[in-house]
Amino acid sequence: LAKTTQPISMDSYEGQEVNITCSHNNIATNDYITWYQQFPSQGPRFIIQGYKTKVTNEVASLFIPADRKSSTLSLPRVSLSDTAVYYCLVGDRSGAGSYQLTFGKGTKLSVIP
Amino acid sequence: DGGITQSPKYLFRKEGQNVTLSCEQNLNHDAMYWYRQDPGQGLRLIYYSQIVNDFQKGDIAEGYSVSREKKESFPLTVTSAQKNPTAFYLCASSITQGADTEAFFGQGTRLTVV
Repeated sequence: LAKTTQPISMDSYEGQEVNITCSHNNIATNDYITWYQQFPSQGPRFIIQGYKTKVTNEVASLFIPADRKSSTLSLPRVSLSDTAVYYCLVGDRSGAGSYQLTFGKGTKLSVIP
Repeated sequence: DGGITQSPKYLFRKEGQNVTLSCEQNLNHDAMYWYRQDPGQGLRLIYYSQIVNDFQKGDIAEGYSVSREKKESFPLTVTSAQKNPTAFYLCASSITQGADTEAFFGQGTRLTVV
């Protein structure tokens, strides 16, 4: 099963760009990389997904190098409302051939005024 | 509005009682999941289902049971065999279980066993 490694926590000041890196050395050829955001006492919310190179949406950018063994979530000009836990997921195919959507402990981002 | 609904939001039970948590989705999704989250921890997978009448154990299935009799519904029963049932429970669904799947989560049920 694919496994991801992220920093446990990060601090940032308001208005700065934040980059959270995720390592996934055992990523498989067919796996996508997906990031979720979770606020306290709420369910996680999908942020962005990519397979290679760069993906950008209205919320974030995702950078994936050619070897795909890591990825970086970039949040431009963070605000206090971006304080949350961010999870990186890669495809986690079970023996039965289905994806289990396995979450790690995530990265707790604290945005400071 | 389409979405995934968990009920109730808060649930209290006495030790030794079974309790069932509800999860309903009207997104026409095939796959559904149950997770448990303890304070300061990530999500741990309890059970998941790819299709009606089929489900598989996740990483921490002991003490839990599920059913998937309808596509829209995936109830989770926390049995008396679960040693530490107090936790935040999250249900999710996705259109399939493909490599590019996006999961949609409910708002969670916070279960307290006293």
